[in-house]
Amino acid sequence: QQQVKQSPQSLIVQKGGISIINCAYENTAFDYFPWYQQFPGKGPALLIAIRPDVSEKKEGRFTISFNKSAKQFSLHIMDSQPGDSATYFCAASINSNYQLIWGAGTKLIIKP
Amino acid sequence: NAGVTQTPKFQVLKTGQSMTLQCAQDMNHNSMYWYRQDPGMGLRLIYYSASEGTTDKGEVPNGYNVSRLNKREFSLRLESAAPSQTSVYFCASSDGGRVDQPQHFGDGTRLSIL
Repeated sequence: QQQVKQSPQSLIVQKGGISIINCAYENTAFDYFPWYQQFPGKGPALLIAIRPDVSEKKEGRFTISFNKSAKQFSLHIMDSQPGDSATYFCAASINSNYQLIWGAGTKLIIKP
Repeated sequence: NAGVTQTPKFQVLKTGQSMTLQCAQDMNHNSMYWYRQDPGMGLRLIYYSASEGTTDKGEVPNGYNVSRLNKREFSLRLESAAPSQTSVYFCASSDGGRVDQPQHFGDGTRLSIL
């Protein structure tokens, strides 16, 4: 019930295309859903986050879509660029808690 | 503008050896974290410290000890290293203990245990 399942494990997208990464969760008490971006040799960095009271949040080319009834959320990267090539992690938590439950990660490669 | 600094960056140990991983942050953050990252498993929390002098176990604390030396420094110790502890270890800090405050990560320590 604590797991966050992330798919796909890896993804190749052409430059200018849309990259979509999906996550699913079981614990209905989760109320905070961040996405972190990690470049090789670096630690993860917060990219964008959403709470379940909204269905979508957009920041530049990055959008989180949230489906509370399906217990799923996804990251969309519009106009994907080679600089977006990285590993992306979804996570979930109860907001009052300090512990994030992380997905397994998606390695995204954007082909020029 | 260092952020979170981890030392060493790489280390190879033999089974049974001990080692301390060091972490320091210069952002005046209260909360600090130790994670391990294994292929296909995402990040798993080892220990958490809300403030100087306090620590809490995370998801995978067995085989590890921590010390919050002061507000800046949070160390992770392996008393008797095992091959299962081969991993990339990340230290992170945040302004408070709530997950909606971004965690700032170091660049990791890559640890191999033979």
